[in-house]
Amino acid sequence: AQSVTQPDIHITVSEGASLELRCNYSYGATPYLFWYVQSPGQGLQLLLKYFSGDTLVQGIKGFEAEFKRSQSSFNLRKPSVHWSDAAEYFCAVGGYQKVTFGIGTKLQVIP
Amino acid sequence: EPEVTQTPSHQVTQMGQEVILRCVPISNHLYFYWYRQILGQKVEFLVSFYNNEISEKSEIFDDQFSVERPDGSNFTLKIRSTKLEDSAMYFCASTYDGSNQPQHFGDGTRLSIL
Repeated sequence: AQSVTQPDIHITVSEGASLELRCNYSYGATPYLFWYVQSPGQGLQLLLKYFSGDTLVQGIKGFEAEFKRSQSSFNLRKPSVHWSDAAEYFCAVGGYQKVTFGIGTKLQVIP
Repeated sequence: EPEVTQTPSHQVTQMGQEVILRCVPISNHLYFYWYRQILGQKVEFLVSFYNNEISEKSEIFDDQFSVERPDGSNFTLKIRSTKLEDSAMYFCASTYDGSNQPQHFGDGTRLSIL
């Protein structure tokens, strides 16, 4: 069965600091991996995806993620966080028929 | 960019009543999905739908739930005899071909059962 673990429920960073959100997955085959962002009361916006090829993928809003098969990880990074990045971030695996989400990491950005 | 739209944005219903949540997927998409997010919890898969039939459903999707594509544009989730624990945000999603393309999500319908 596919599953996703996001070990950090809540992270606080200062504006301008770098960010890394952790994600570990379990999947029986080559994984299809996603990061979504959800602002309060809003829907899920796709930040980036990994299907195959280059293990470092670029997304919107200056985010990137690196797929590491040996570690079953797909961590999300941003070199300099903006106050508008405060939101909840969901890592997800799968795609056909269904997507399995992690529990989410809530990001707080302080001035 | 085309969007998945959901109506209403917030639905308040008395326990035991039936509720229908509506979604308009992206027009050329063929695969449709419903997910649920109980407050403070993760997003959970409910059901996928293709070619006018359910292709996969989770254990959450029991007999009180049903889905339908009543016309060429709408995709609905019906909950019969709602329970308090049905209170959640319900997300609709769609993809063109289901082959692991990222699902496009709507903004959700917040369902509150009183």
